[in-house]
Amino acid sequence: GAVVSQHPSRVICKSGTSVKIECRSLDFQATTMFWYRQFPKKSLMLMATSNEGSKATYEQGVEKDKFLINHASLTLSTLTVTSAHPEDSSFYICSASPRDREAGYTFGSGTRLTVV
Amino acid sequence: AQTVTQSQPEMSVQEAETVTLSCTYDTSESDYYLFWYKQPPSRQMILVIRQEAYKQQNATENRFSVNFQKAAKSFSLKISDSQLGDAAMYFCAYKKTSYDKVIFGPGTSLSVIP
Repeated sequence: GAVVSQHPSRVICKSGTSVKIECRSLDFQATTMFWYRQFPKKSLMLMATSNEGSKATYEQGVEKDKFLINHASLTLSTLTVTSAHPEDSSFYICSASPRDREAGYTFGSGTRLTVV
Repeated sequence: AQTVTQSQPEMSVQEAETVTLSCTYDTSESDYYLFWYKQPPSRQMILVIRQEAYKQQNATENRFSVNFQKAAKSFSLKISDSQLGDAAMYFCAYKKTSYDKVIFGPGTSLSVIP
């Protein structure tokens, strides 16, 4: 149980275009999902907290207009990288958890974004 | 603000031996959660073990166990009978409440020598 599906796994886009990444909880409802960014051989950096039915909460230094988050249902959150540039190339990972006080979060398999 | 520190960027262990990965954290909370996550080359994050701060007993999951020292704010991971498949990045992580964000340490890269 507690499976999180993330798509696509890899995407290459041209500079200036937008890319959407989906994060789905397959067997549970998630009112909260988290989006992380990870650079090579570095730790996960929290970008934002996605809340179902309300605006996302962004971490300091994360551009909310560039990284648009939509959590329209209890099982789906999307991250859209707008007007992508090469410096946005990175590994993006989402996570979520069932309503279980002791549960650690389950992570999606990640999306490797390359902007050319 | 809460922080998580892992002082060992890289560690290595002989196959079948035991290795301990260190983690310290800083918080003013009395109740919280601590985790160890494994990230193999596939980059899929895998939960290895978790500990609730109010539980004094150290968590154990098969070959993985922790040494939780609440007063010292220390949370080390011991891997016994190391296997080749244990080679990965290991992240220590902290969470304040059930639905709060998870804060990760910088990670320790573990190599297993055959």
